[in-house]
Amino acid sequence: DTEVTQTPKHLVMGMTNKKSLKCEQHMGHRAMYWYKQKAKKPPELMFVYSYEKLSINESVPSRFSPECPNSSLLNLHLHALQPEDSALYLCASSSPGLAERSSYNEQFFGPGTRLTVL
Amino acid sequence: AQSVTQLGSHVSVSEGALVLLRCNYSSSVPPYLFWYVQYPNQGLQLLLKYTTGATLVKGINGFEAEFKKSETSFHLTKPSAHMSDAAEYFCAVRPGSSASKIIFGSGTRLSIRP
Repeated sequence: DTEVTQTPKHLVMGMTNKKSLKCEQHMGHRAMYWYKQKAKKPPELMFVYSYEKLSINESVPSRFSPECPNSSLLNLHLHALQPEDSALYLCASSSPGLAERSSYNEQFFGPGTRLTVL
Repeated sequence: AQSVTQLGSHVSVSEGALVLLRCNYSSSVPPYLFWYVQYPNQGLQLLLKYTTGATLVKGINGFEAEFKKSETSFHLTKPSAHMSDAAEYFCAVRPGSSASKIIFGSGTRLSIRP
């Protein structure tokens, strides 16, 4: 299985709602990522989990809360979002190695969740 | 600091013509370089990557790229464009000092004229 799956595909939420995005991979990857992508822009890194521990937080507002329950699952909990948070949220995974030059090869991306905040 | 520059936010070619998408990078250490493609309303798919070894890298869908260290370039080419190649293309670099982070270029939208 060489796929990263994301649910839901589309999500519409109000500013007072609490919702969660889910990402799953069964490639044995131990690094997982959340990206935010606005229209006509490249993906912006939000969080990186390595071996189920948060290793990078790119100064993301606390209304976004990531969680990595196990090596195959990555969640993004959303609360009190703003309309400007509307975007495509992409999950990715990659396989870290033991040596620097073999570490973290290409990232495999999921199809994304299209989020609209009203 | 590492960076990626993609020249041309939009490139339009005729079906059957050569595709050339330009990418220049800045990296203080030997980089890993990637090209990703994104079709409308989809995630990113890896086209090809350069890590070490042969500087001419072949990818999926007939694309290839050449790593030129002296020019700090990693341009993407395809000899003959197909309508299905219309998409957004991102060049990316993984700095050696940050194993888990990759830096994306701003993207180039490729359009194919019939």
